[in-house]
Amino acid sequence: GAVVSQHPSRVICKSGTSVKIECRSLDFQATTMFWYRQFPKQSLMLMATSNEGSKATYEQGVEKDKFLINHASLTLSTLTVTSAHPEDSSFYICSAREWEGRQRQFFGPGTRLTVL
Amino acid sequence: AQSVTQPDIHITVSEGASLELRCNYSYGATPYLFWYVQSPGQGLQLLLKYFSGDTLVQGIKGFEAEFKRSQSSFNLRKPSVHWSDAAEYFCAVGGSIIQGAQKLVFGQGTRLTINP
Repeated sequence: GAVVSQHPSRVICKSGTSVKIECRSLDFQATTMFWYRQFPKQSLMLMATSNEGSKATYEQGVEKDKFLINHASLTLSTLTVTSAHPEDSSFYICSAREWEGRQRQFFGPGTRLTVL
Repeated sequence: AQSVTQPDIHITVSEGASLELRCNYSYGATPYLFWYVQSPGQGLQLLLKYFSGDTLVQGIKGFEAEFKRSQSSFNLRKPSVHWSDAAEYFCAVGGSIIQGAQKLVFGQGTRLTINP
């Protein structure tokens, strides 16, 4: 199946700093990528939908100025957590959809963010 | 709004025993249904999906699921579990591209423990 990578896999940062997480589709072009957040022992919650070349669509309750998403190419989307605080500590997972007509999403391995 | 309920937070079965994980959904139209598996600290792997047609779908690793519209259910089954099946399992529902509801909504997850 298609491969989606995330970098870094783990990051620890100080409160107030910004952290960038990359999501790449390695062997296909992804017109749409999704960013999810998963708290310990909980389900995945969709944060935003990222379309190549356009602004991301954020879910209700997700601060777009806090979680900056850029989808500059068909193989790369980035999530930047700005001015991170301990409550932003979570597992962030991206997924990518091959092309418009495909419903299947391929998930990245996730990024564990810990804010001290 | 669409929603997914996985009634069992944690299930323990013996190796070699049969398994059924429950999933109930709420969706206004014909749903697209998915089962994913997540190993600790990792992303999600698709086990199987239902879009249309035969209501009994076969997936990877010997899993199958049956779509029952009358019960709004999509339960996951495996006739004989292996120790390597221990993981977190997520049921998800999504709409079709045409319906414009491409986003996935996940259930709370069911943690599966295998006794030797």
